[in-house]
Amino acid sequence: DAMVIQNPRYQVTQFGKPVTLSCSQTLNHNVMYWYQQKSSQAPKLLFHYYDKDFNNEADTPDNFQSRRPNTSFCFLDIRSPGLGDAAMYLCATSRDPGLYEQYFGPGTRLTVT
Amino acid sequence: AQSVAQPEDQVNVAEGNPLTVKCTYSVSGNPYLFWYVQYPNRGLQFLLKYITGDNLVKGSYGFEAEFNKSQTSFHLKKPSALVSDSALYFCAVRLSLLRSYIPTFGRGTSLIVHP
Repeated sequence: DAMVIQNPRYQVTQFGKPVTLSCSQTLNHNVMYWYQQKSSQAPKLLFHYYDKDFNNEADTPDNFQSRRPNTSFCFLDIRSPGLGDAAMYLCATSRDPGLYEQYFGPGTRLTVT
Repeated sequence: AQSVAQPEDQVNVAEGNPLTVKCTYSVSGNPYLFWYVQYPNRGLQFLLKYITGDNLVKGSYGFEAEFNKSQTSFHLKKPSALVSDSALYFCAVRLSLLRSYIPTFGRGTSLIVHP
């Protein structure tokens, strides 16, 4: 089945130690998103790619970076995680902008010790 | 600008009873509206959407939603709730413009269905 895959599902990192979360999709969707979700709150958009075009939300901290080397893969890099970065990180995809809903991966739960 | 409100943090309903999860929106134009469900420690899962046409939209798992333009609402409904429907529900809105494809999510409503 076509899907959005996130690895790892659970990630523990130390304060200040860089961490990378990965997302892959078999849907061949043009748009990929990264969201941060804390404590059953609404997902907060960090950034998204429309094809190769990177779009950063204005309030996304500089500590967060992203890479999309090809259509299928997208990475979230947290350069120096703080305790406040502990959250669920959700990757999502959608087709070309239009009528289309988002497809979400299962998420990566990040713990910062 | 676009925004969406889910006025209830939590909805409690007995199994077998009808359920309603409320959503109201604000956009400066025609909206596209979505409902998603999230089970514990999982990603969001698409339930249904309103784009145009019939105001009553049917989706997955027996859920439906009614678009009401005059009341700017898109409430999620199900005639008979199941315990397995207990989850977090998110309403989302975006403008019907190609350049405005980023949706805005509501804060979520926790649905608890009691046996």
